Amino acid sequence: RKEVEQDPGPFNVPEGATVAFNCTYSNSASQSFFWYRQDCRKEPKLLMSVYSSGNEDGRFTAQLNRASQYISLLIRDSKLSDSATYLCVVNTGAGRRALTFGSGTRLQVQP
Amino acid sequence: EAQVTQNPRYLITVTGKKLTVTCSQNMNHEYMSWYRQDPGLGLRQIYYSMNVEVTDKGDVPEGYKVSRKEKRNFPLILESPSPNQTSLYFCASSLLASGGARSGEQFFGPGTRLTVL
Repeated sequence: RKEVEQDPGPFNVPEGATVAFNCTYSNSASQSFFWYRQDCRKEPKLLMSVYSSGNEDGRFTAQLNRASQYISLLIRDSKLSDSATYLCVVNTGAGRRALTFGSGTRLQVQP
Repeated sequence: EAQVTQNPRYLITVTGKKLTVTCSQNMNHEYMSWYRQDPGLGLRQIYYSMNVEVTDKGDVPEGYKVSRKEKRNFPLILESPSPNQTSLYFCASSLLASGGARSGEQFFGPGTRLTVL
């Protein structure tokens, strides 16, 4: 079983739609969680951290459910520029590997 | 400008010909790491370094070497490349911190697309 699992998609949604991605992780000792965004053939970049109480950044909302070991990302009012692959990332603790990446969920927002 | 740079960006080579991919960061980060990215497999860590002269294996270290003689540089060495090392490679760096919601933010280089024939 992969340490971090995501639905690869693609999710094809019209502009203005709300779309949600889920991600599950297997290590219950995981300490911190992130969503990264990766545009085609480009490097991943941090989109937002995921806090236990849930957090929002503009049109993006991230939530964490430790009991069920899953993380979600909600994008409201999708824009064409949101088209990208979204990587779920988990930090299992201090030092060593630092981050474990999911293989990503691809989003295509259509006009 | 704070950044991670990698060179070369694109490389086509032949089996067995030693190569080095350079990585440099100007953010004074302690932690540096190499990943490879393959379709359907996501980013997999090859090697990482927590500081100068401190390196360790990640998930897929076979066929690779690294060194960390200076804080800013972390080259990836393929002594005898093989076709299964054809991939997109990313170098990343971050501050080394334990715990905390922001401790895992990593800054990535632009990637090196390697093809081994």
